[in-house]
Amino acid sequence: DVKVTQSSRYLVKRTGEKVFLECVQDMDHENMFWYRQDPGLGLRLIYFSYDVKMKEKGDIPEGYSVSREKKERFSLILESASTNQTSMYLCASSLASTGTGELFFGEGSRLTVL
Amino acid sequence: AQKITQTQPGMFVQEKEAVTLDCTYDTSDPSYGLFWYKQPSSGEMIFLIYQGSYDQQNATEGRYSLNFQKARKSANLVISASQLGDSAMYFCAMRESNNAGNMLTFGGGTRLMVKP
Repeated sequence: DVKVTQSSRYLVKRTGEKVFLECVQDMDHENMFWYRQDPGLGLRLIYFSYDVKMKEKGDIPEGYSVSREKKERFSLILESASTNQTSMYLCASSLASTGTGELFFGEGSRLTVL
Repeated sequence: AQKITQTQPGMFVQEKEAVTLDCTYDTSDPSYGLFWYKQPSSGEMIFLIYQGSYDQQNATEGRYSLNFQKARKSANLVISASQLGDSAMYFCAMRESNNAGNMLTFGGGTRLMVKP
């Protein structure tokens, strides 16, 4: 069964802390994505990667960075967490070339920054 | 400008009735794809249905169908014979052909509540 796994379902961090959100996929997908979900705003793209060590900014990259050292793993980093980064974070992956471009999602990581 | 607009923040439907969730989109790309995802309270995003811009027929998947009106730039999701398990957030999304990495742009979502 295809799977995207996010390391933590729930995290509570303090303002200023460095936060790592990890995502692993077992489908050999080239593309990986980090989205942020907020009520009324839907999902907004933070960063994506189409290959190892490659990354592209999405719509809201400020305050975030990413790392993709291996094809199956895509990490989201909050260098200094702030309260306005309290949100649900969703990781997704997809094949580089496919009929639909469907994204496969992880279960999400709900981050609270105090 | 919003690329994907879902104008219904929340909706109720009676069990066993049909319901339509609205989605309008904005693109100048002649080649694009439209998606609907379901997100139950558990949080995972479940892919429901896909419509390509060049597809001649409306997409259907079981109880889900996509009412694709290209000239109006709308891609409404129709759920027939609603079930209690259909209660969830529903997101419309679009992929444009010039999007690097197959990224999707999502709407704000509609929360559907099915009444017994």
